[in-house]
Amino acid sequence: DTGVSQDPRHKITKRGQNVTFRCDPISEHNRLYWYRQTLGQGPEFLTYFQNEAQLEKSRLLSDRFSAERPKGSFSTLEIQRTEQGDSAMYLCASRRVDTGELFFGEGSRLTVL
Amino acid sequence: AQKVTQAQTEISVVEKEDVTLDCVYETRDTTYYLFWYKQPPSGELVFLIRRNSFDEQNEISGRYSWNFQKSTSSFNFTITASQVVDSAVYFCALSEAEGGSNYKLTFGKGTLLTVNP
Repeated sequence: DTGVSQDPRHKITKRGQNVTFRCDPISEHNRLYWYRQTLGQGPEFLTYFQNEAQLEKSRLLSDRFSAERPKGSFSTLEIQRTEQGDSAMYLCASRRVDTGELFFGEGSRLTVL
Repeated sequence: AQKVTQAQTEISVVEKEDVTLDCVYETRDTTYYLFWYKQPPSGELVFLIRRNSFDEQNEISGRYSWNFQKSTSSFNFTITASQVVDSAVYFCALSEAEGGSNYKLTFGKGTLLTVNP
């Protein structure tokens, strides 16, 4: 499978715990995006990378959230001291430069108890 | 600020009916991109179309067609002869296009389409 891969697909955690999600983009795509989707809503932009550089962060990304993309390949999104309001689907996408298509992964669903 | 409105929360049709999903957007940018994505029950967002703000030609792809009207800031999506497999949530999205475009998409809330046999 050569699509965008996310892991884990589902994470259940207790409030206050830290969680980390991983995204492996399509290999030739240099831009990588993180979005969050809550129930009944459209995805909301969180942050994006061009290669290893994080170019923009949304105000939704509080200081408990951190994203990295070492070496411009895979990316991680870490949430520290999780809160129930963090429960959502976290979507990763990578962009094909020539056509501009944005390819999404299947998402990582977080449930904070 | 950018905004995308999909006024139809849910639509239910019978197979073979035509159905149009509405999308109205707001932006101050003169150059932007519009998108439609499909999200089936499996959850993965599937890209359907990207349209540049300078290209107002309507587009048809099989049973799908899109009507872009800049004058009314609308980018509506029509499925002709709907099928049960078309059942999904459909999202309209808008992106800035600064220079090379950053693709920071603003999504609408989506329209849940149910096609009944």
